[in-house]
Amino acid sequence: NAGVMQNPRHLVRRRGQEARLRCSPMKGHSHVYWYRQLPEEGLKFMVYLQKENIIDESGMPKERFSAEFPKEGPSILRIQQVVRGDSAAYFCASSLGTGDTYEQYFGPGTRLTVT
Amino acid sequence: AQSVTQPDIHITVSEGASLELRCNYSYGATPYLFWYVQSPGQGLQLLLKYFSGDTLVQGIKGFEAEFKRSQSSFNLRKPSVHWSDAAEYFCAVALNDMRFGAGTRLTVKP
Repeated sequence: NAGVMQNPRHLVRRRGQEARLRCSPMKGHSHVYWYRQLPEEGLKFMVYLQKENIIDESGMPKERFSAEFPKEGPSILRIQQVVRGDSAAYFCASSLGTGDTYEQYFGPGTRLTVT
Repeated sequence: AQSVTQPDIHITVSEGASLELRCNYSYGATPYLFWYVQSPGQGLQLLLKYFSGDTLVQGIKGFEAEFKRSQSSFNLRKPSVHWSDAAEYFCAVALNDMRFGAGTRLTVKP
């Protein structure tokens, strides 16, 4: 059973370009979470999605950032018109659900560098 | 307000010494509790978790943690640290959502 997959592992974008980060959850997991880790900082929650639904986006910046988790395919975190401050590691996690199945499994992360 | 606090930003211990990393939370109810470890350039790996039952939980790599309701704490311990334990450690709590502490960076001296 493959773990959480994220691609690309490293992404370089110039200011003003778009960044698309992909996350494939573990098989059977229908809950996906995105986190951002700035250099020398901890993880900050961004958004929680279930299939075709955004459950909690309280950690997502109001502009330029969006996320989706379609019925088919991976979850996508999209950053439009990237700025240098968006440079960070973005981690995706998945879980079976809530309660005793709340345990989140993390992907290896996508390291975004904005030049 | 709900919060997770890891009071120690950076800890240095000698190889073979014991280790305790602190984690305190502020929640209205007892949340689910986790410790994760992150090696440089890597994702997070779950060390252990507490949902209910025995308040002393055993994890991987020789780690354990004790849930103390009266102190709202879930401290991580290891009796004898190895050089390979050098990493960033995150405490996390989950009730309606999961929140992470800011992390504690562990340095191991030879």
